[in-house]
Amino acid sequence: GQSLEQPSEVTAVEGAIVQINCTYQTSGFYGLSWYQQHDGGAPTFLSYNALDGLEETGRFSSFLSRSDSYGYLLLQELQMKDSASYFCAVRALSGNTGKLIFGQGTTLQVKP
Amino acid sequence: DSGVTQTPKHLITATGQRVTLRCSPRSGDLSVYWYQQSLDQGLQFLIQYYNGEERAKGNILERFSAQQFPDLHSELNLSSLELGDSALYFCASSPQGAETTGELFFGEGSRLTVL
Repeated sequence: GQSLEQPSEVTAVEGAIVQINCTYQTSGFYGLSWYQQHDGGAPTFLSYNALDGLEETGRFSSFLSRSDSYGYLLLQELQMKDSASYFCAVRALSGNTGKLIFGQGTTLQVKP
Repeated sequence: DSGVTQTPKHLITATGQRVTLRCSPRSGDLSVYWYQQSLDQGLQFLIQYYNGEERAKGNILERFSAQQFPDLHSELNLSSLELGDSALYFCASSPQGAETTGELFFGEGSRLTVL
């Protein structure tokens, strides 16, 4: 089976940097994705890591260590609009395709 | 706007009833995924279809069924509804070739309330 662990809540102030960690267990692994969801809205894709290392996209960066089954999402220069839930997800092997399994999500609250 | 359309946006029904949720994927996307999100919970994978065929199955209840039609739209049928089925149901799609990436395009969801 697959399981992912991430903190349930994180609080930070505007302008700061925050890191959201994710550890996973899965049989077969393609890569780790991150999604953002604002209050009941549609989840939106942020990033995907298939190889070890850091991927940077603007203020957001994502890191993966396959050997440690660990990744994180780094948000820099936090803005109020970054207050949302953030989900890590793994692409796990399922037959000849990979199903995307999500963690329980981390609620980020950005304070002024 | 992701290009994925879900209807209805809101649905209120009673226990024991049956409902059908509909999803139209982005133009050209062959894969459709269904997820259930209960209050303050993560996204629970239900089922995936690819070009009309079932590709992967999650913890989908036997009371739930889905299909993908030749025009690639998909329907999720929920029957003998229980209070615990109240949730947001999301549909997502991905294009061919994106099967090994993590990028899905989600619709706005259908909020089901069972009274």
